[in-house]
Amino acid sequence: EIVLTQSPATLSLSPGERATLSCRASQSVSSYLAWYQQKPGQPPRLLIYDASNRVTGIPARFSGSGSGTDFTLTISSLEPEDFALYYCQQRRNWPLTFGQGTRLEIK
Amino acid sequence: EVQLVESGGGLVQPGGSLRLSCTASGFTFSSYWMHWVRQAPGKGLVWVSRINSDGSNITYADSVKGRFTISRDNAKNTLYLQMNSLRTEDTAVYYCARQTSGWPHIWGQGTVVTVSS
Repeated sequence: EIVLTQSPATLSLSPGERATLSCRASQSVSSYLAWYQQKPGQPPRLLIYDASNRVTGIPARFSGSGSGTDFTLTISSLEPEDFALYYCQQRRNWPLTFGQGTRLEIK
Repeated sequence: EVQLVESGGGLVQPGGSLRLSCTASGFTFSSYWMHWVRQAPGKGLVWVSRINSDGSNITYADSVKGRFTISRDNAKNTLYLQMNSLRTEDTAVYYCARQTSGWPHIWGQGTVVTVSS
């Protein structure tokens, strides 16, 4: 099973700042990595798939990069609605696995 | 509007059974692979199972293999998860999700399963 490790566990930033979230895979997942956002009481929302493709309707301030084992989700300028939990997920191998999440909180 | 609505959750004793349903609307259900993903209280996301569009190709997480069965009825636009031999660690919100471009993309709001005596 591929283990995804996200860092940091919690990121405290202010609106307008740049957020950089990391996801490291225990073995190569090529570009088969996605990022999800989850707010309390809501299901996850797919933001980025195949490492760098933004889902239709997701604001351009969200971007993804990386390949192999190291991936980054960048939010260029934080809006108040961006403070949430973020998960990475791989589909290179079964079972699909998720990272443990990064909580992005308001500083 | 594309929509997925889960139902069938509830309180069940350890060793018991439940059948979850996920009713789809707003898209051609029979064309899409589907997934079940769960989230224990205060915990992260865990993938449970997936099924291809005609039900001929199914995969399970090891933690549920032999206890859970995923299935679908394309005529009824409904996905199912039959859960047997339930354990306390199966307590979670269960989400169904439609796959797009290989990824669980459209998610329902979830149904709560509580396994407790």
